[in-house]
Amino acid sequence: AQSVAQPEDQVNVAEGNPLTVKCTYSVSGNPYLFWYVQYPNRGLQFLLKYITGDNLVKGSYGFEAEFNKSQTSFHLKKPSALVSDSALYFCAVRDRSNYQLIWGAGTKLIIKP
Amino acid sequence: DSGVTQTPKHLITATGQRVTLRCSPRSGDLSVYWYQQSLDQGLQFLIQYYNGEERAKGNILERFSAQQFPDLHSELNLSSLELGDSALYFCASSVQGAGDFTGELFFGEGSRLTVL
Repeated sequence: AQSVAQPEDQVNVAEGNPLTVKCTYSVSGNPYLFWYVQYPNRGLQFLLKYITGDNLVKGSYGFEAEFNKSQTSFHLKKPSALVSDSALYFCAVRDRSNYQLIWGAGTKLIIKP
Repeated sequence: DSGVTQTPKHLITATGQRVTLRCSPRSGDLSVYWYQQSLDQGLQFLIQYYNGEERAKGNILERFSAQQFPDLHSELNLSSLELGDSALYFCASSVQGAGDFTGELFFGEGSRLTVL
C-alpha cells in the first residue's frame, strides 16, 4: 500500500539555524512528492514538488527538499530558520491508482527566537 | 489569498442536525476537493469533483454528500451529525482532473464545524 510517514510530531529549531523536517514514503514506481505548509487558522499552501529531474527541489519561502530514492525519503530543509516559519508541515505523495494525494500526519515546526 | 472561498467560516450545531458547506474554487479551476481535518485523524480526503462530475471518492461517510454545480462551486452536505464530525472542513481546487494532476492544490481557509 502507498503511504507517507512523517516520523516527528514536532521539530524545535532556534532561529538562524538550519532546519530539516523528515518525510519517508512507500510507493511503487516513480513517486510524485509534495510539501505543503499550514499556518495557524489558515488553509494549506503548496511549497514544492518533485516529479522528475534534479533530486534537489527548490520551493517557496527559501525551502528546498531532497529526493533520495534509495532511502525513500523527501526531507524538507531550509538553511536558516525564521520565526515566521513556525507552522504545520505536511508531506504528500500522489496515489498512482486515483491520482489523489496521500498525506502524512504533519509535523509541527517551532522556531524559537 | 488562494482564490478559494469557503463559507461559513464557523458553524456550531447540534447532534442530529444537517449543515451545508459551500466552496467557490479559484477562477479557471475545474476540480474541487473536500478534506476533513481533525486532531486525531489528520487530513482525510473525502471526495473530488471535476467539471460537475464525481471523479474520486475517499473516506466519505454515507451521511455526507457533495455536488458541484454548473458554475463550478461545490457544496458538502453533512447530515445526522455526530459529535465526532466536529472538524475543520477544507475545500481545495486545481485546474487538472486526474492523470494530468500535478499535485498543486489551492486550499480555502476552511469551515470549522462544532457539533454539540
